[in-house]
Amino acid sequence: EAQVTQNPRYLITVTGKKLTVTCSQNMNHEYMSWYRQDPGLGLRQIYYSMNVEVTDKGDVPEGYKVSRKEKRNFPLILESPSPNQTSLYFCATGWLAGYNEQFFGPGTRLTVL
Amino acid sequence: GESVGLHLPTLSVQEGDNSIINCAYSNSASDYFIWYKQESGKGPQFIIDIRSNMDKRQGQRVTVLLNKTVKHLSLQIAATQPGDSAVYFCADIKTSGSRLTFGEGTQLTVNP
Repeated sequence: EAQVTQNPRYLITVTGKKLTVTCSQNMNHEYMSWYRQDPGLGLRQIYYSMNVEVTDKGDVPEGYKVSRKEKRNFPLILESPSPNQTSLYFCATGWLAGYNEQFFGPGTRLTVL
Repeated sequence: GESVGLHLPTLSVQEGDNSIINCAYSNSASDYFIWYKQESGKGPQFIIDIRSNMDKRQGQRVTVLLNKTVKHLSLQIAATQPGDSAVYFCADIKTSGSRLTFGEGTQLTVNP
């Protein structure tokens, strides 16, 4: 079954404690991306990756890091989380060739105290 | 600045009626548009897309209309059902790459 998985699905943490949210896909997609969703602001792109070892900033990259060492995985790293990073995070994947839909994971709800 | 937005944050319709959700975009370089549906507690799910060289595309019970002159697109849902209750987002991709820009979303509520 084609799917995008995220872990953890829910996380409560404290300010400054480094964390990683994982994203994995089994569709062999080149393109992977992270979004955050906040009330009244919609979905905003954090980082994206066009392929292995190729990453670039989205609209709101401050406070986040990513890596793309393998095609199937695209972890989101918060080195020193702050309360303003409390949000719902989505990973999405898609084909690069032409214009195509993106497939979204189930989301990770993060609370930073 | 560049943006993709929706006219109304909420829309309430009766079961069986047709629904129309609107979206305006500002960037003339946008050439691919997607409508996503997001049910409570889930990630966005693809509904239908349209390229800028088209002005209408139909799917199962859904139609997307694109008016490039006024930079407006709409999603029409025929015979709306309770299962259609969700937040609907429009998104666009600009000629330069694969980055999606999302609007803020319209909450559609279907009343029985």
